[in-house]
Amino acid sequence: IAGITQAPTSQILAAGRRMTLRCTQDMRHNAMYWYRQDLGLGLRLIHYSNTAGTTGKGEVPDGYSVSRANTDDFPLTLASAVPSQTSVYFCASSNRDSTEAFFGQGTRLTVV
Amino acid sequence: GQNIDQPTEMTATEGAIVQINCTYQTSGFNGLFWYQQHAGEAPTFLSYNVLDGLEEKGRFSSFLSRSKGYSYLLLKELQMKDSASYLCAPMDSNYQLIWGAGTKLIIKP
Repeated sequence: IAGITQAPTSQILAAGRRMTLRCTQDMRHNAMYWYRQDLGLGLRLIHYSNTAGTTGKGEVPDGYSVSRANTDDFPLTLASAVPSQTSVYFCASSNRDSTEAFFGQGTRLTVV
Repeated sequence: GQNIDQPTEMTATEGAIVQINCTYQTSGFNGLFWYQQHAGEAPTFLSYNVLDGLEEKGRFSSFLSRSKGYSYLLLKELQMKDSASYLCAPMDSNYQLIWGAGTKLIIKP
């Protein structure tokens, strides 16, 4: 693994199903983030984690949950997917005092 | 509230210069980032300003005025590969990036 990796890269999901998007980084960054990006809108923060063992809610947390059991992994779970959660999801990581956030390649999720 | 304002779309000619403006309002300020995002790809870091003034990096420069809540990204000697969206993102007092919707830059031959 080099940098930050997301899986899957794309997924079509039936409404009502549970789904976990995976995110792993090998840069030992303490902060990690989940964003969604929709056409015409900026990146919107869903949840974040400033360090392993802690998480926080972002701008649009409803319908999503996260965990941060260790430094490297930050999975995002949709407990019961709805069509409005159709979006491109980006995971990112940084050191708290870093001047740069690194992004994964994104997960394109379609809920039907 | 927190707000970012940048043009939705701009068009420029290959070889020319273009300036993309960004105004912002945030709760506290810990610097401003510019990212480039090609269609279907992840954002990639371009520049970071924390003090007033101009930061130059090759063909790209970024300017910041904290008192005016204003930044711009200047792209020189435009190439076709510069066609992308450019995202302005100030960092607030909680070290969270606040993202604008981005400016789609179209380069014409």
